Amino acid sequence: DTEVTQTPKHLVMGMTNKKSLKCEQHMGHRAMYWYKQKAKKPPELMFVYSYEKLSINESVPSRFSPECPNSSLLNLHLHALQPEDSALYLCASSQDRAGRNEKLFFGSGTQLSVL
Amino acid sequence: KQEVTQIPAALSVPEGENLVLNCSFTDSAIYNLQWFRQDPGKGLTSLLLIQSSQREQTSGRLNASLDKSSGRSTLYIAASQPGDSATYLCAPERNTDKLIFGTGTRLQVFP
Repeated sequence: DTEVTQTPKHLVMGMTNKKSLKCEQHMGHRAMYWYKQKAKKPPELMFVYSYEKLSINESVPSRFSPECPNSSLLNLHLHALQPEDSALYLCASSQDRAGRNEKLFFGSGTQLSVL
Repeated sequence: KQEVTQIPAALSVPEGENLVLNCSFTDSAIYNLQWFRQDPGKGLTSLLLIQSSQREQTSGRLNASLDKSSGRSTLYIAASQPGDSATYLCAPERNTDKLIFGTGTRLQVFP
């Protein structure tokens, strides 16, 4: 199994809603990542988890809250989002921490629309 | 701050052509560089990873070269096919868990 699975594929939410994005991998990878991608732009790093501990937060607003309950699962909790947060949210994983010549495996993303 | 630029931004060619996609980066102190492809509305697929000690990597019709000193990488696609149509992204990486993605090249190969 070389897949990173993201659910849901599409999400529409209001600015007062609370929702969560889910990411799962069963490759035994110990590093997991959240990226945000706006239309026709490259992905931008949001968070990195290494061995289930948050190692990087790229100054992301607190309305985005990541969680890594175990080594296979990564969540992104969303609360009080703004319309400008509408984007494709991508999850990725690697065998070990990036920077050690590890390929990243990406999920197909969650397309989020905030109304 | 690392800045990564890809040229051309878009490319439309008939199938069968050999293609050259360019990537330049401002910070040459990188650990490795990956090339990805992304289909519209989808995630990214890693194509090639070039370690800092290497100068090139090959996979099938794809060949990527890396010149750290000049801050450049090139992706060659031989005998292009319509199935190669996608956006291609380069991503140099320092030893900081961070990939910085380039601006991308949107490729269309028509029959």
